[in-house]
Amino acid sequence: GAGVSQTPSNKVTEKGKYVELRCDPISGHTALYWYRQSLGQGPEFLIYFQGTGAADDSGLPNDRFFAVRPEGSVSTLKIQRTERGDSAVYLCASSLSSGEGETQYFGPGTRLLVL
Amino acid sequence: DQQVKQNSPSLSVQEGRISILNCDYTNSMFDYFLWYKKYPAEGPTFLISISSIKDKNEDGRFTVFLNKSAKHLSLHIVPSQPGDSAVYFCAALNAGNNRKLIWGLGTSLAVNP
Repeated sequence: GAGVSQTPSNKVTEKGKYVELRCDPISGHTALYWYRQSLGQGPEFLIYFQGTGAADDSGLPNDRFFAVRPEGSVSTLKIQRTERGDSAVYLCASSLSSGEGETQYFGPGTRLLVL
Repeated sequence: DQQVKQNSPSLSVQEGRISILNCDYTNSMFDYFLWYKKYPAEGPTFLISISSIKDKNEDGRFTVFLNKSAKHLSLHIVPSQPGDSAVYFCAALNAGNNRKLIWGLGTSLAVNP
């Protein structure tokens, strides 16, 4: 079956612009996660959805970042007024449920570059 | 404050030998640990995991060992193959509290033919 897919694979934008990053989880996976990875670092948690609701958004760095999952499947991460420091690889993952120890499966990431 | 630490940024081994990647953690509430492998320009790929109720989990050439008292885990790859060359990340979570994975900085493994 298909894995987690993310679009676009690369995004170059100018400082101050708005961007949307899309994630298609594995079919049937109810939990969806967004992480951000900067160069030389491990991924950093942003937000986690269980179904349509954000179960934990404690990792979102500020109110310029917002994510939605309106139908419990596809999710969109939205970044307003982008800054150069937002440049990173944005990773999406999904898991079968939020039960203990459920493995998170990752997409290829979206590489965001803010000029 | 790094809760998951991979103190070796890189490791080089000969094909056919054992690769041992180490990971230390500070948060005693972590109860599930995972290893991911990452190739350039790809997302992390799940390798193997271990629950805190176990001290060993094996899957083919990959074995993870957990020492809870030392807050230490290791990934053993035997025998190592050139295709194993990648960055390996250790990650941990407190499954009963939240679902966010806490990651180490990764170890870059090079397996030389």
